[in-house]
Amino acid sequence: DAKTTQPNSMESNEEEPVHLPCNHSTISGTDYIHWYRQLPSQGPEYVIHGLTSNVNNRMASLAIAEDRKSSTLILHRATLRDAAVYYCILSTPHSGGSNYKLTFGKGTLLTVNP
Amino acid sequence: DSGVTQTPKHLITATGQRVTLRCSPRSGDLSVYWYQQSLDQGLQFLIQYYNGEERAKGNILERFSAQQFPDLHSELNLSSLELGDSALYFCASSARAPSTDTQYFGPGTRLTVL
Repeated sequence: DAKTTQPNSMESNEEEPVHLPCNHSTISGTDYIHWYRQLPSQGPEYVIHGLTSNVNNRMASLAIAEDRKSSTLILHRATLRDAAVYYCILSTPHSGGSNYKLTFGKGTLLTVNP
Repeated sequence: DSGVTQTPKHLITATGQRVTLRCSPRSGDLSVYWYQQSLDQGLQFLIQYYNGEERAKGNILERFSAQQFPDLHSELNLSSLELGDSALYFCASSARAPSTDTQYFGPGTRLTVL
């Protein structure tokens, strides 16, 4: 599986935007870029995913570099509830098309200061 | 609430014992994934089932086995337990999609082996 590199930790202030970077220089053409987050004592939670184009949803935005070797998760206004470990994951389909196992790295621990 | 349920929430047992963890996927989801999260290894993919059939295998030990039943719930069986098997075990489910499968995680089962 192609690997991702994320900073171990980042800090933000409440109500400010947060840009979480992810490098994935060995990404292949069929890899999707997924972001999940894990709040304390909870299971991982889907945030957003994309292939080539930038994506927006109610939780966040995903900016994907033109060469796809990096991406940035953008939280437009961080809240205390956004404090979590954020995982950037490349999802590779298996043969048969329905298998998208997720390979989690260590992620970025986001601290949000009040 | 992701719609994925896992039981039990906590499990304490002794080395050498056997336990069964249960997962009910979201209504309509055909795929079930099992993950193990320990302090030193992080979140690791164990195995995936799709509509009752095994589809992908990760770092699952031979002492561990899983199955998905006709009603789509899944069980993860852990036998000859060792201290190192103490971890959080997450189940996730997804619906088959043409492009990518978003995984919805349950709250996890915390296994403690004494």
